[in-house]
Amino acid sequence: QSVLTQPPSVSAAPGQKVTISCSGSSSNIGNNYVSWYQHLPGTAPKLLIYENNKRPSGIPDRFSGSKSGTSATLGITGLQTGDEADYYCGTWDSSLKGVVFGGGTKLTVL
Amino acid sequence: EVQLVESGGGLVQPGGSLRLSCAASGFTFSSYNMKWVRQAPGRGLEWVSSINSGGGTIYYADSVKGRFTLSRDNAKNSLYLQMNSLRDDDTAVYYCARVYISGSNAMDVWGQGTTVTVSS
Repeated sequence: QSVLTQPPSVSAAPGQKVTISCSGSSSNIGNNYVSWYQHLPGTAPKLLIYENNKRPSGIPDRFSGSKSGTSATLGITGLQTGDEADYYCGTWDSSLKGVVFGGGTKLTVL
Repeated sequence: EVQLVESGGGLVQPGGSLRLSCAASGFTFSSYNMKWVRQAPGRGLEWVSSINSGGGTIYYADSVKGRFTLSRDNAKNSLYLQMNSLRDDDTAVYYCARVYISGSNAMDVWGQGTTVTVSS
């Protein structure tokens, strides 16, 4: 059971938009920055979003992040087949004194 | 090129030990906080341990506390994870990762991972 809650799967057609939610509590999302990662099996995870809504260099603006209270959301527009992957939210938990991740969301681009 | 390369994984019996290494290149290793994250077969990402740039502040997940020891050698641009009393549920791919901005806990550079299999 992950500390952060994500939907197990989402799907959408190419070119469409999808959002992935991440729900936590005041000890984690509510008072700390949220990051989002894309993970393809057998490869290194890739940082998509840091500090709730900032994109590292090289990440296209099709990817966006937002945070409200104890929840965060990753948005992906203009879906491509290459976006099929597992997506994880992560943040610091001040009570646990450690990084916590969501259980991951598998994105399928139909 | 900014790079992290893990090594030291392998097959070990329950109760055994392994030492993972992570070699950094292409950036000033001593300026960055670092972390280990693992992924067990069929499971999601799980944080294992964190260390600050100077090595003086270290955190562990409850699942490994007392069994794993994280350290770094800034002169050798290397990160180490000593794993003792290994259990079946420690079986996973272990990634080392660089923290992008201190305080954000966002990890921007990851290694390709090293596989640890604990089995008799």
